[in-house]
Amino acid sequence: QQQVKQSPQSLIVQKGGISIINCAYENTAFDYFPWYQQFPGKGPALLIAIRPDVSEKKEGRFTISFNKSAKQFSLHIMDSQPGDSATYFCATRNAGGTSYGKLTFGQGTILTVHP
Amino acid sequence: DAMVIQNPRYQVTQFGKPVTLSCSQTLNHNVMYWYQQKSSQAPKLLFHYYDKDFNNEADTPDNFQSRRPNTSFCFLDIRSPGLGDAAMYLCATSRDPSGEETQYFGPGTRLLVL
Repeated sequence: QQQVKQSPQSLIVQKGGISIINCAYENTAFDYFPWYQQFPGKGPALLIAIRPDVSEKKEGRFTISFNKSAKQFSLHIMDSQPGDSATYFCATRNAGGTSYGKLTFGQGTILTVHP
Repeated sequence: DAMVIQNPRYQVTQFGKPVTLSCSQTLNHNVMYWYQQKSSQAPKLLFHYYDKDFNNEADTPDNFQSRRPNTSFCFLDIRSPGLGDAAMYLCATSRDPSGEETQYFGPGTRLLVL
């Protein structure tokens, strides 16, 4: 069974600090690694994503670092703001086979940014 | 502008009473997905349609069915809801499974089973 292990389960950061969330995967047949942000009562929204041929991608305050050999990727939120308080899910996307395009999500990280 | 619309947002049903959840999209995407998300858990894929081709996850209970009458609409039918089916049901779409846009999610329907 494909698994994506996400840590920490919860994270508390002061405003202006750096939030770091980590994910590790087992299967290598993935072609896309997105991060989703979910606010209470809302559906997940795509935040940032990376392909496995790139080691880092930055969009504004959000950066994905990708380590293919270690099968790990992480989300860094710089200058964290109270409005970033949400649940964050990493995911992996199947590259082929009968589950082509399927997303497998990590367990989620509840981020709280204190003012 | 709403892109993935789910109705209703909240649904209360009785144990064993069939219920249908609706999803529509204005993106003209080829693929539509249904996920189940229980409290404090990750979304879990139930099934998806690639155009008219239906793909069921191996561990999706037979109690869950889906219909996609056209590109814009997709329905989730729960034939005999149990207490364990209480959850948020999320619909998502993508242009194709390998695209850069990955999946857009709707706001979800929260199902309560009494």
